[in-house]
Amino acid sequence: KNEVEQSPQNLTAQEGEFITINCSYSVGISALHWLQQHPGGGIVSLFMLSSGKKKHGRLIATINIQEKHSSLHITASHPRDSAVYICAASWETSGSRLTFGEGTQLTVNP
Amino acid sequence: ETGVTQSPTHLIKTRGQQVTLRCSSQSGHNTVSWYQQALGQGPQFIFQYYREEENGRGNFPPRFSGLQFPNYSSELNVNALELDDSALYLCASSLAGIHTIYFGEGSWLTVV
Repeated sequence: KNEVEQSPQNLTAQEGEFITINCSYSVGISALHWLQQHPGGGIVSLFMLSSGKKKHGRLIATINIQEKHSSLHITASHPRDSAVYICAASWETSGSRLTFGEGTQLTVNP
Repeated sequence: ETGVTQSPTHLIKTRGQQVTLRCSSQSGHNTVSWYQQALGQGPQFIFQYYREEENGRGNFPPRFSGLQFPNYSSELNVNALELDDSALYLCASSLAGIHTIYFGEGSWLTVV
């Protein structure tokens, strides 16, 4: 069964802190996505990766294929980073269909 | 701006009614997927359309149905609405074989 698990479910941080959100998945994914969802509901794709590491501004995503694990890091967090962060995976057998984790509600306080 | 447009953004329906949600996908994207997201949960896959044909379905009953049109826009239809159908419905478009996926803003459905 294709599964994605994410932790923590909720995360509160002070402005400036380094934040890590974790995601584990079952074997054989073709791609791992990190997504951001704001209260209005729309989802924005942050990263798509199948190996290694990607960086965009203060956001870093890593994936360890052997460990079946991915992390999203936010450096120098800011209140505007407050949102739900979701990891999602796709498998070769399911094409672009995504299986989502439950999401991490991040709140960054000033 | 993802290029994926959904309508309506919000709607309220009565139990037993039918609803149609619409999605205009990113230009050239031939694959559209629909997801249901209940409050506080991650999205769940409903079904996917590729070149006007259903191309995979999640664990949803037959009263959830869809269409994809020649211009790759799509509809999600739900018959005999139930209270538990209240959720955010998300449309995502992609190009087959390419993993980049673009989401719309979603349609918030409330069933009373």
